[in-house]
Amino acid sequence: DTEVTQTPKHLVMGMTNKKSLKCEQHMGHRAMYWYKQKAKKPPELMFVYSYEKLSINESVPSRFSPECPNSSLLNLHLHALQPEDSALYLCASNYARDRGPNTEAFFGQGTRLTVV
Amino acid sequence: QKEVEQDPGPLSVPEGAIVSLNCTYSNSAFQYFMWYRQYSRKGPELLMYTYSSGNKEDGRFTAQVDKSSKYISLFIRDSQPSDSATYLCAMEKAAGNKLTFGGGTRVLVKP
Repeated sequence: DTEVTQTPKHLVMGMTNKKSLKCEQHMGHRAMYWYKQKAKKPPELMFVYSYEKLSINESVPSRFSPECPNSSLLNLHLHALQPEDSALYLCASNYARDRGPNTEAFFGQGTRLTVV
Repeated sequence: QKEVEQDPGPLSVPEGAIVSLNCTYSNSAFQYFMWYRQYSRKGPELLMYTYSSGNKEDGRFTAQVDKSSKYISLFIRDSQPSDSATYLCAMEKAAGNKLTFGGGTRVLVKP
C-alpha cells in the first residue's frame, strides 16, 4: 500500500472560518509533509514532521497550523485565511532520513482549497 | 538563480515518439533524485527514484543521473496520449527530508 489519503478533496471556506485538512498514511513512514501548490507552479514546501516533531517550517504564516497527532496522521488547521491562500494543498510522506538512501516521497491527491 | 532548473515547455510530441526531459541543479549536496508525473488538478505521482549516477530503467521510463555535470534526465519511450501531463523533477540533500522541485515541464503527446 503506497497510498497517502487526504480529506476533504475540495474545500470552500470564508475568511473568518476555521477548518482542518487531514492526511493519513499506513506505510510506516515517519516523515510527513505539507506542500502548497498554485496553478502551473511546482509544490512549495510548508512543513516537515519527522518522528511526529516539527522539523522544518518554511516561514509559513501562523494562520496555518500543522499538527501530527501520531505517526500515521497529519493535520493542517486553517484560520483567518486570505483569498491568495487558495491553492492545492498536498500531503506527502517518506521514511525519515536515518533509514538510509532507499526512500522516496509519496504524495496524496491533495485538497483543493478556495478561500472566499 | 534557482537551485533546480527545468524547462517549462510545453513539449509537444507525436504518439510513439521518445520524450526527453531534463533538469540541472547547482548544489552538489543533492543526492537523491525523483521524477513525478502530475495530471491536472491531481497530486504528483512518483515515477522514478535514483540516488546514484547512471541509468535506471522501469518499463517505458529511463532515468539518468550525471552527478559530475549536475544533470538529470527522464526518457519516455513509445509515448502515449495518456503520458500528457506535467513532469516534475525533485531532489533531496543527504540530510534533511526536504524535496526541492524543478518548475515542471508540460508534455503533450498528440495522437
